[in-house]
Amino acid sequence: SQQGEEDPQALSIQEGENATMNCSYKTSINNLQWYRQNSGRGLVHLILIRSNEREKHSGRLRVTLDTSKKSSSLLITASRAADTASYFCATVLSGGGYNKLIFGAGTRLAVHP
Amino acid sequence: EAQVTQNPRYLITVTGKKLTVTCSQNMNHEYMSWYRQDPGLGLRQIYYSMNVEVTDKGDVPEGYKVSRKEKRNFPLILESPSPNQTSLYFCASSLVMAGTWDYTFGSGTRLTVV
Repeated sequence: SQQGEEDPQALSIQEGENATMNCSYKTSINNLQWYRQNSGRGLVHLILIRSNEREKHSGRLRVTLDTSKKSSSLLITASRAADTASYFCATVLSGGGYNKLIFGAGTRLAVHP
Repeated sequence: EAQVTQNPRYLITVTGKKLTVTCSQNMNHEYMSWYRQDPGLGLRQIYYSMNVEVTDKGDVPEGYKVSRKEKRNFPLILESPSPNQTSLYFCASSLVMAGTWDYTFGSGTRLTVV
């Protein structure tokens, strides 16, 4: 089963509105990362939040992390049509020479002009 | 420019014809990995490499091989491709730093096996 689960699966909003996506995970983590993927293209790293951080900002992005609830949220403020993409959270499972970045199924965001 | 380069971007091939998808990174990253992305299944790890000559299986390694003879290159080999390997493939690399694991992804290779 997937480590990260995003919610909602799809989100449709108007330009200028805020978009909030949530992610839940199952095991303890060192950090949680958010990625963006335009249709059929590569993944772009957006932001990384460490397990000892509660909130992080990058431009119009705001990420929160609640390790007690094993959840994170990504907020995109003042959305633009160009923000239309799929957004994935990912966590790293590592240790003993083993490493894996585990992705959730993603949230498809559509921002309408 | 720091990047992960995959080739080809698109490939259509026939069942059983061996193929190689190349991946190269210019960031001197120790860690490299291959993922496949399928609708409804998300991204799943195929193989990964912690450093030169160190490779290991991910979640879905069947039907794939990899090699890591040089730090910058991590080719994905399909010895006998089958239609169920039709997918979008991504290569990724990262520095091995405790608690970081900040990945850079390639642009993807869309493979169709007929």
